[in-house]
Amino acid sequence: AQTVTQSQPEMSVQEAETVTLSCTYDTSESDYYLFWYKQPPSRQMILVIRQEAYKQQNATENRFSVNFQKAAKSFSLKISDSQLGDAAMYFCAYRSSGAQKLVFGQGTRLTINP
Amino acid sequence: NAGVTQTPKFRILKIGQSMTLQCTQDMNHNYMYWYRQDPGMGLKLIYYSVGAGITDKGEVPNGYNVSRSTTEDFPLRLELAAPSQTSVYFCASSHGPLYEQYFGPGTRLTVT
Repeated sequence: AQTVTQSQPEMSVQEAETVTLSCTYDTSESDYYLFWYKQPPSRQMILVIRQEAYKQQNATENRFSVNFQKAAKSFSLKISDSQLGDAAMYFCAYRSSGAQKLVFGQGTRLTINP
Repeated sequence: NAGVTQTPKFRILKIGQSMTLQCTQDMNHNYMYWYRQDPGMGLKLIYYSVGAGITDKGEVPNGYNVSRSTTEDFPLRLELAAPSQTSVYFCASSHGPLYEQYFGPGTRLTVT
């Protein structure tokens, strides 16, 4: 079974600085997708970024980028120029290409200090 | 578009009671999902549906039932509520398995 591990329960960063959230996963499959979801206090789950495993290029979305290391099974999220609105729980998630379900990590609570 | 809507937002149940969590989406998505999120944890899949009339179990289906009579609606039924079902429940939908899942705002359920 696939597992996703986020080893940082909490992280904090000063506003305007850069922070990296870690995620590792375990799978024997070669074709899969990885995601970072943001969950603000409103509880709404919001997709931040996705990465297809077959793509070597790291995904970017504005201030959000990933460092995808397929051999190491690592998928970290970098947030540049942190803003107060980035404060939330961040979940890393995995889905194999043929499966329906997302497998989530335990989450990292990100605090932005003004 | 309202996206994915869930009702109620909050509910307290007594042990042994039953209830239905409602989920509706207006994006004409074929795929719909129910997840639960326990405190301090990520989401776990309860049930999913790939279209009207088709449902299947996820990771943690025990104690729950679903039906999908229309494309828009995917209700989750709790029979004989137990304290272990205290959780936040999220409904999600997607255009297909390779597409982004859109989540509803969640229902916080407490069973006492």
